[in-house]
Order: sequence, then C-alpha cells, then structure tokens
Amino acid sequence: GAVVSQHPSRVICKSGTSVKIECRSLDFQATTMFWYRQFPKQSLMLMATSNEGSKATYEQGVEKDKFLINHASLTLSTLTVTSAHPEDSSFYICSAHRPDRGGTYEQYFGPGTRLTVT
Amino acid sequence: DAKTTQPPSMDCAEGRAANLPCNHSTISGNEYVYWYRQIHSQGPQYIIHGLKNNETNEMASLIITEDRKSSTLILPHATLRDTAVYYCIVRVVAGTASKLTFGTGTRLQVTL
Repeated sequence: GAVVSQHPSRVICKSGTSVKIECRSLDFQATTMFWYRQFPKQSLMLMATSNEGSKATYEQGVEKDKFLINHASLTLSTLTVTSAHPEDSSFYICSAHRPDRGGTYEQYFGPGTRLTVT
Repeated sequence: DAKTTQPPSMDCAEGRAANLPCNHSTISGNEYVYWYRQIHSQGPQYIIHGLKNNETNEMASLIITEDRKSSTLILPHATLRDTAVYYCIVRVVAGTASKLTFGTGTRLQVTL
C-alpha cells in the first residue's frame, strides 16, 4: 500500500526556536496533503490543507504565520513551527491524498512527529 | 460533513467479535461512512468504508442500516493488536481531495 513518511519522528526544541517537520509520499504523487495536530487523550484536529504549488488553506483558529506550510513538490510538504512555545508541544500528523484512487483509500497517514518544546 | 456519535470506550475479549457502533442520523445521501483506527502514538489507519451496502474486507465488516442513520464496524476475531481508538467519519467523496473531520472515537480495549 501507499506509504507516507514523516521526519523527524520525535524532536525536542527550546522555546523561541523554529522546528521543521517533513511529510513525504514515498510511492505516489500527492497534490494535496493535510496537517493535523493531536494533544494527549484528544482527537486529531485538522490544522491546514496543503496544496502543491499554491498557498495552504488554514482551519479557523490556526495561525498561518506561526505554522508555515510549504508544498513545493508532489511528494513533499513541510510544516514549520515558528517561535515554538511549550503549548505547541503536540503530536503532529500529516496525510496525503492519492488522487488516482477516487473514493477508495483516499488518504494515507504518516506515523506522526512528537514535538516537545522546553 | 455529518456529525457522528460513538461510545467513548468498549472492552472485548480476545478471539471474540468486537462490534463498534456509530450513529450518524444527519447523514446526507452523498456521504460515505469511513472507519479509521489509531493505535497509540501512531498515525490513523484506514479500515473500511461504505455508502449503503454492507462491506467486508480482510480487516473488518461494515454494516450500515437501511436508513443509513447508523452503522456497526465488526472485527470478527479481535486480537490484542486491535486495541486502538476507532473513528467513524462520514464525508462526501468528491473528485478532489476532501478533508476528514475526526470525532472523539471509541477506545477499544481487547483483553485476554
């Protein structure tokens, strides 16, 4: 099946620094990728939709200047958490849409990135 | 997308069938029922989806009521590795990408 990878799987950074998370579709091209955030014992919350070659669409309440998304190629989207604070500590998950599969197996999820801001 | 309601938690003995219910009383005619699961600290995994007919694959069966207002995911022989949070999602399937809206899901605990 289709595989989506994320890098890094776990990252610890200091407050005020920026962190970049990569999401790659390994065996298919993804024109659309999604970024989710999940706090402990909570469900996944969609942060933004990343479209190759155009600006990302952010969900209400998500600061686009803080969470920078770049989808420069059909296999890579990046999420940069700028000026990270402890409250940004969370599990970040991406998914990639495979357009040639229509309504079957549409979204493939990455394994997630655990961000801890100290 | 229509809202879904699931019990917060369920237990199941290993080897027995796990039946996970989902209510989606406001589902529209063009919305599909999808099931995903999330094992602890991993990304969600697709299980199955359907529109109005019952569906079965190597992982599970999906039973959708005739009025489509509820459905049941069946894991026929649950194992310890099936312990996870199971999400029922209803969504329109269009030609272009459409986002998934996750609810709180059902935490299934499979025990010996």
